[in-house]
Amino acid sequence: NAGVTQTPKFRILKIGQSMTLQCTQDMNHNYMYWYRQDPGMGLKLIYYSVGAGITDKGEVPNGYNVSRSTTEDFPLRLELAAPSQTSVYFCASTLGPAGNSPLHFGNGTRLTVT
Amino acid sequence: GQQVMQIPQYQHVQEGEDFTTYCNSSTTLSNIQWYKQRPGGHPVFLIQLVKSGEVKKQKRLTFQFGEAKKNSSLHITATQTTDVGTYFCAGASGGGADGLTFGKGTHLIIQP
Repeated sequence: NAGVTQTPKFRILKIGQSMTLQCTQDMNHNYMYWYRQDPGMGLKLIYYSVGAGITDKGEVPNGYNVSRSTTEDFPLRLELAAPSQTSVYFCASTLGPAGNSPLHFGNGTRLTVT
Repeated sequence: GQQVMQIPQYQHVQEGEDFTTYCNSSTTLSNIQWYKQRPGGHPVFLIQLVKSGEVKKQKRLTFQFGEAKKNSSLHITATQTTDVGTYFCAGASGGGADGLTFGKGTHLIIQP
């Protein structure tokens, strides 16, 4: 099993550009998450999904959108990139709810917006 | 909302010394998880504690969950260079999909 796979690994965007961060998992996990990690900070939940077709906002959803058309894929969309979105983005999945199950993280996408 | 505070933010130790990081929650937790993130890497799950007063060991790592289920600690005995990284606690308040709050982490720096 590859686990959780994120692409791209690195990306530089200009202000106002848009992009999609890809995330796929092959563990048949129902629950998937997007976190952002800023330097010296913990992980902040952006969006999460409890199953295909169901998504919900986390702590910091503004400026982002998600979709969950399949169990495996959970892409994160940035529509109008802003410098405040410079961060490392981690996708994760769990077998059960994150409050009870270990998170399996992808390798992350390092995004810079200039 | 729930807050999880973690101290210290940075810890410098000589190789072979012990290391401890502490995690405190503003609310009672249903369980707490610990993760390790190597420099440039992603967080990796270490352990989950569920019971009041629980103590678990993984080789040189000892994890404790407080009696009131509002605090936790991770202690590493005789640190090695492979222990370098950031250790995060994450507290769960209700078992929901969004119910995990991460602390800011403790960066462990080891001097040979």
